[in-house]
Amino acid sequence: GAGVSQSPRYKVAKRGQDVALRCDPISGHVSLFWYQQALGQGPEFLTYFQNEAQLDKSGLPSDRFFAERPEGSVSTLKIQRTQQEDSAVYLCASSSNRRMNTEAFFGQGTRLTVV
Amino acid sequence: AQKVTQAQTEISVVEKEDVTLDCVYETRDTTYYLFWYKQPPSGELVFLIRRNSFDEQNEISGRYSWNFQKSTSSFNFTITASQVVDSAVYFCALSIEGGFKTIFGAGTRLFVKA
Repeated sequence: GAGVSQSPRYKVAKRGQDVALRCDPISGHVSLFWYQQALGQGPEFLTYFQNEAQLDKSGLPSDRFFAERPEGSVSTLKIQRTQQEDSAVYLCASSSNRRMNTEAFFGQGTRLTVV
Repeated sequence: AQKVTQAQTEISVVEKEDVTLDCVYETRDTTYYLFWYKQPPSGELVFLIRRNSFDEQNEISGRYSWNFQKSTSSFNFTITASQVVDSAVYFCALSIEGGFKTIFGAGTRLFVKA
């Protein structure tokens, strides 16, 4: 597709449930980023992939969060045993550059609500 | 550590007014990049501009202009003759050379009333 696509757009999970969020980046983009955006806040970095390599996962808030990009294109962010504090919008972005110093293209996000 | 501060939480203006969104950043790195993104109600962040730390020239793009001042660590964004379609949340952001993450401010919500 022409832009970054994320699915689902909305997800309601019961506390303790596992969820998987999908990101389809722009075709050919080397860099892929995941961000978490709490209500009324700016996006906060979670993790970065360069092709299939996860080069930075310093922003993942706990070991319940796991991300993968096995073939260097589609990425999945998995959250195990969801907690209420995980409720947020999860944004995916991709870039043709290998570093985060050029523009990134963002998806519309997945709004996760943990009840 | 890097930090971006957008002190204005919300701004409300009437159409055709000029409005300036403030951004102050902190970093000890000498090579860094500053960005502005727009987030409309649909949710995706839309890239507006990128400046590197060695280029302090102000930039104008249509009704948008940006004022980068290293002396005050500021990168302010002005919309001239605002329009209702400018209503959105605007984020200022910072990344450093060699880094993988972008640090975002908390955003400024702009309301433009007809």
